[in-house]
Amino acid sequence: EVQLVESGGGLVKPGGSLRLSCAASGFTFSSYSMNWVRQAPGKGLEWVSSISSSSSYIYYADSVKGRFTISRDNAKNSLYLQMNSLRAEDTAVYYCAREDPVAGTIDYWGQGTLVTVSS
Amino acid sequence: SSELTQDPAVSVALGQTVRITCQGDSLRSYYASWYQQKPGQAPVLVIYGKNNRPSGIPDRFSGSSSGNTASLTITGAQAEDEADYYCNSRDSSGNRYVFGTGTKVTVL
Repeated sequence: EVQLVESGGGLVKPGGSLRLSCAASGFTFSSYSMNWVRQAPGKGLEWVSSISSSSSYIYYADSVKGRFTISRDNAKNSLYLQMNSLRAEDTAVYYCAREDPVAGTIDYWGQGTLVTVSS
Repeated sequence: SSELTQDPAVSVALGQTVRITCQGDSLRSYYASWYQQKPGQAPVLVIYGKNNRPSGIPDRFSGSSSGNTASLTITGAQAEDEADYYCNSRDSSGNRYVFGTGTKVTVL
């Protein structure tokens, strides 16, 4: 069974930093591209970033480019999101999501971790 | 443009058919995927590609596409289908994802 478990969320002040983690199990993590997707309270889904299986290709949404860094450790079956210079508008539930190369789309999601940016 | 536009809300009588649409320029080049999200839960993939359903998704869910518009149809809507639905596709570069604005489906 595919499992994605996010951690690292919490309350942080504007301008602060936070590192999210996603522990993957139930599939060969090193064979899949991974994504972070966020959802502000009461709002829709927003794609944040993606990383290819070998970390060769990394992409960011314009809203986080230069502030967030995605990375992965295939030996630890883990995905990360380093978030710096956090703003109030970054407040959201952050989901870790797997991309199926055959389907060409995001197919599994974690349960999410809440990040609140507030003074 | 990399935006995907959906109607904010639709309602359907129990057992009837409802179609949810998603419009965007990138849909001329890329298929849409559709996700169902219930309150407090993570999204679940219901349709991807031309018209493919992941294992466990009922066959009352189907997808179609024409020009810049993708559609998700629920034929014989059930009470448990009440949820928010989001379309998703690639942007014009093909490197990034973009999500639709979301449609709240109410089953009456």
